[in-house]
Amino acid sequence: EDQVTQSPEALRLQEGESSSLNCSYTVSGLRGLFWYRQDPGKGPEFLFTLYSAGEEKEKERLKATLTKKESFLHITAPKPEDSATYLCAVRPGSSGSARQLTFGSGTQLTVLP
Amino acid sequence: GAVVSQHPSRVICKSGTSVKIECRSLDFQATTMFWYRQFPKQSLMLMATSNEGSKATYEQGVEKDKFLINHASLTLSTLTVTSAHPEDSSFYICSARTQGGTETQYFGPGTRLLVL
Repeated sequence: EDQVTQSPEALRLQEGESSSLNCSYTVSGLRGLFWYRQDPGKGPEFLFTLYSAGEEKEKERLKATLTKKESFLHITAPKPEDSATYLCAVRPGSSGSARQLTFGSGTQLTVLP
Repeated sequence: GAVVSQHPSRVICKSGTSVKIECRSLDFQATTMFWYRQFPKQSLMLMATSNEGSKATYEQGVEKDKFLINHASLTLSTLTVTSAHPEDSSFYICSARTQGGTETQYFGPGTRLLVL
């Protein structure tokens, strides 16, 4: 069974204090690992897709990396506006057809000014 | 990135009435859309997968007669909550997947349903 575990559940940082969020996964044939950001009362906002171990992607203060067992979302010098819940999801591959995403429970990030 | 809209954003209804939620992919075509439900402080729970021109596939435990899904075009899927009850009150989020290439899922802004 596909499984995604995110840690920590909650993280409080001071503005400018860099850190990383973890997403560990077990999946039958990874066909994409996705990071989303969700603000309270809103739908998730797409951030990154990673496909293979060693791949990295960056967007402003965020950088996502991928290994065969986990992904990290690094936040460099965060600002209060980076406060949100960050969700990780995997798409398993099966017989060449895409399947639904399996989501982790998320990491709630709070950046204090 | 691609844009997905949802309407209405908030709805309050009386118990026993039906509510329809629309999900549109504004700048891309989506043969596959998804409907999720989210409870406070919890992650997304997939309710059903909607395929254009065919019947939706429901997840285990989701009543297909209560949550009617129609995907009549490549840009529109609707979720109708029939005979709504207070326990149906929740945050409903749709998602549309791009075709080919990365097949990324983009999410709508969500619909807050309150059943009195």
